[in-house]
Amino acid sequence: EDQVTQSPEALRLQEGESSSLNCSYTVSGLRGLFWYRQDPGKGPEFLFTLYSAGEEKEKERLKATLTKKESFLHITAPKPEDSATYLCAVQAQNSGYALNFGKGTSLLVTP
Amino acid sequence: DTEVTQTPKHLVMGMTNKKSLKCEQHMGHRAMYWYKQKAKKPPELMFVYSYEKLSINESVPSRFSPECPNSSLLNLHLHALQPEDSALYLCASSRAISENEQFFGPGTRLTVL
Repeated sequence: EDQVTQSPEALRLQEGESSSLNCSYTVSGLRGLFWYRQDPGKGPEFLFTLYSAGEEKEKERLKATLTKKESFLHITAPKPEDSATYLCAVQAQNSGYALNFGKGTSLLVTP
Repeated sequence: DTEVTQTPKHLVMGMTNKKSLKCEQHMGHRAMYWYKQKAKKPPELMFVYSYEKLSINESVPSRFSPECPNSSLLNLHLHALQPEDSALYLCASSRAISENEQFFGPGTRLTVL
């Protein structure tokens, strides 16, 4: 059975304190791994897609990396506006194109 | 236009009411999705439409009835809902069902009394 596990569940950082969020996955054939940001009461905002081990993508203070078992979302020098829940989702080759979401990491960045 | 819009933003309904949620996108996407999200939980897929045809129904109760009248619109008709159906209902779209990147709308917050 496909599984997506995100850690930690919650993370509190001081402004400027870099850290990483983890997404571990087990799927029978990865079609793609996705990172989304979700603010309270709003829809997820697409951040990155990663397709193969070794791939990296960057956007502003965020960098996503992928191995055969996990993905990391690195946040460099975060700002309070980076506070949100970060969701990881995987799409398996036999999933019928459904996204299997992890439970998310709730990030709070304090000034 | 790079947005998925959803109306209404909030909806309160009784268990005997009939209501509809609407979703619209003008990005030329041919796949559209309905998700349900409970508080502090990840989104759960309900339905997928591809080229206006229902492609995936994730064993959703019949009190939820999706409709795709054209390539830009997606509706979710609600009837005889239960209080446990209260949730954030999210619509998403992608260029095609085989295209992985799904773009989400802001959601409709549904409360069933």
